[in-house]
Amino acid sequence: DAGVTQSPTHLIKTRGQHVTLRCSPISGHKSVSWYQQVLGQGPQFIFQYYEKEERGRGNFPDRFSARQFPNYSSELNVNALLLGDSALYLCASSLLPPRETQYFGPGTRLLVL
Amino acid sequence: AQSVTQLDSQVPVFEEAPVELRCNYSSSVSVYLFWYVQYPNQGLQLLLKYLSGSTLVKGINGFEAEFNKSQTSFHLRKPSVHISDTAEYFCAVIRNSGNTPLVFGKGTRLSVIA
Repeated sequence: DAGVTQSPTHLIKTRGQHVTLRCSPISGHKSVSWYQQVLGQGPQFIFQYYEKEERGRGNFPDRFSARQFPNYSSELNVNALLLGDSALYLCASSLLPPRETQYFGPGTRLLVL
Repeated sequence: AQSVTQLDSQVPVFEEAPVELRCNYSSSVSVYLFWYVQYPNQGLQLLLKYLSGSTLVKGINGFEAEFNKSQTSFHLRKPSVHISDTAEYFCAVIRNSGNTPLVFGKGTRLSVIA
C-alpha cells in the first residue's frame, strides 16, 4: 500500500511569493496534519484536518492556511513568504484525530530566497 | 500543555555497542508516547509507541523503549547498533484526552561509528 505522498519534493521561492503544498493520505485515513520542521529542530504542529474541517491549529500566523478535500487529500498554503518560512513541511495522516498514530510523508523542502 | 525534552542533542556510539536515547515529558494528564526516526533527507518513520498496558514497548529495527510514569520518561534503547541506525530520533507526546496536537522534542542525532 502507498504511504503518505507529498508534492513537490523541493521548491524554491522568493520573499513575498505564495506557495501551495499538497498531500495525499494513506488510503482509508481521514485525518491529515501539517508540520513545519526548521533545520535542527523537531516538527512543529501547524494544522489538523478531519472530514474537511479544521480540528486544530498551531501557533502560526494567518499567512498559513490549509484545506482538505472530499478525497481526504490536503493543501497547505503560505502567503507572503518570509525567509524564516524556509523549512521541511511534513504531512501526516491518521485514521482519526487527534490521538491515532500519525504516519508521515517524505516532506516538501521549501527554500525562500 | 505538554512538552518533551530530549536530553542529548548528539550521541556518538561505536558499532555493535548499546545505546540509550533519553526522553522526558511534562504533562498534567495521561499521555501517549512515540519515537520516530528520520533518516537524512527523509520524512519521519514510526519506531514504536506506548498507548497503554505493558511499559516495555518493542519496535522496529530492534529498538525498545520503557515508559516510566513516576519519572515521566520514555527512553529508547537498542542493545547493539549498526551503521544504518545513524539518523535523527524524535520523541513525541500527545494527551490521551481532549484535542491537543502531537508535540515533538528537538531530536537526538545518533551517529554510529565503525
